[in-house]
Amino acid sequence: DAGITQSPRYKITETGRQVTLMCHQTWSHSYMFWYRQDLGHGLRLIYYSAAADITDKGEVPDGYVVSRSKTENFPLTLESATRSQTSVYFCASTPGTSGSAETQYFGPGTRLLVL
Amino acid sequence: AQRVTQPEKLLSVFKGAPVELKCNYSYSGSPELFWYVQYSRQRLQLLLRHISRESIKGFTADLNKGETSFHLKKPFAQEEDSAMYYCALSPYNTDKLIFGTGTRLQVFP
Repeated sequence: DAGITQSPRYKITETGRQVTLMCHQTWSHSYMFWYRQDLGHGLRLIYYSAAADITDKGEVPDGYVVSRSKTENFPLTLESATRSQTSVYFCASTPGTSGSAETQYFGPGTRLLVL
Repeated sequence: AQRVTQPEKLLSVFKGAPVELKCNYSYSGSPELFWYVQYSRQRLQLLLRHISRESIKGFTADLNKGETSFHLKKPFAQEEDSAMYYCALSPYNTDKLIFGTGTRLQVFP
């Protein structure tokens, strides 16, 4: 399970500030994902990446930016945090080698509070 | 539209009782379906997937294409089954997952 980590685990910020959540995996998985978990909504996909330098929008991308310069890292940036972005953020990865959906491995999550 | 519906937010049962967590999906093609589980203070993890047709921790789930359902069942619930359960769908030929809103299972002694 230590193969995918997230930092920070907890973050409090203020409206309008930029925040970056980090995700790192040691398996060299091709695919990485960012989800947010909210009561009543379950997990919703924000962005995903099929490989380094390849990213795509998920269901709720507005207000977020991602990059993937290296296979093992997939940072998520909130350019100007809003209270509606208060949530628990999960990063996940999957090998992406079989041609069909594979098990996604999740990080421990980051709890973000925007005041 | 691609959607996963879990109608129950909370399901409470006593130890030894049968459990069925409902999951319905909306998808025009052939989806791949999964159940993920999140135990208290643990990471979200895969419980089972319909392709493998296996039983994990006594849980089974059958894909019913006619009813577009993938209900999770266990004949005798245990206290350690208490957790949050998410049904998820992966559209054909993608690695993305579309999650339902989750059902919290509470198993009382």
